[in-house]
Amino acid sequence: AQRVTQPEKLLSVFKGAPVELKCNYSYSGSPELFWYVQYSRQRLQLLLRHISRESIKGFTADLNKGETSFHLKKPFAQEEDSAMYYCALQLSGTYKYIFGTGTRLKVLA
Amino acid sequence: SQTIHQWPATLVQPVGSPLSLECTVEGTSNPNLYWYRQAAGRGLQLLFYSVGIGQISSEVPQNLSASRPQDRQFILSSKKLLLSDSGFYLCAWRTSGAYEQYFGPGTRLTVT
Repeated sequence: AQRVTQPEKLLSVFKGAPVELKCNYSYSGSPELFWYVQYSRQRLQLLLRHISRESIKGFTADLNKGETSFHLKKPFAQEEDSAMYYCALQLSGTYKYIFGTGTRLKVLA
Repeated sequence: SQTIHQWPATLVQPVGSPLSLECTVEGTSNPNLYWYRQAAGRGLQLLFYSVGIGQISSEVPQNLSASRPQDRQFILSSKKLLLSDSGFYLCAWRTSGAYEQYFGPGTRLTVT
């Protein structure tokens, strides 16, 4: 069955420290993966997509098909990065998305 | 520009009462529409999606139903609410063929 796993409910790091939010997926097809973010009192919004291979707000995520992972990384965390982060999988050729349970990132001053 | 609206923002309903949550999208035509539920510890669960008027796909067998009476209107309903229906309901849209979903502000439903 298709599944997205985010093992950490809460991740606390100090400002300036590296951040890695873990995401693993289970899917037999060709995965299309995303990271969505929800800042306090804001709507859920797209952060980045694996195919674009871009860096958004200093965050990057690399798809590792061998490890079925799509971890989100940032070398130096900032306080404004504190938010809820969701990893999502779009099933190829469909309109369906599967989201993980989310990880709350807290960046401490 | 495109916008998505949801109402009400919060709702407290007794068990056994009916439910109607509404979502509308402005500034686009023939969007794909989605209803998700966000429950504590369970992430975002896809409930329904629609690719056109009257076309509804259900993902999770449950006490809820969805309808799309107009191109940019998506309604989530229940005839009799259960305690387990409590949660945060999010509506989202995307342009057909595009990858990005745009989410509404959500409705917090508490069933008492």
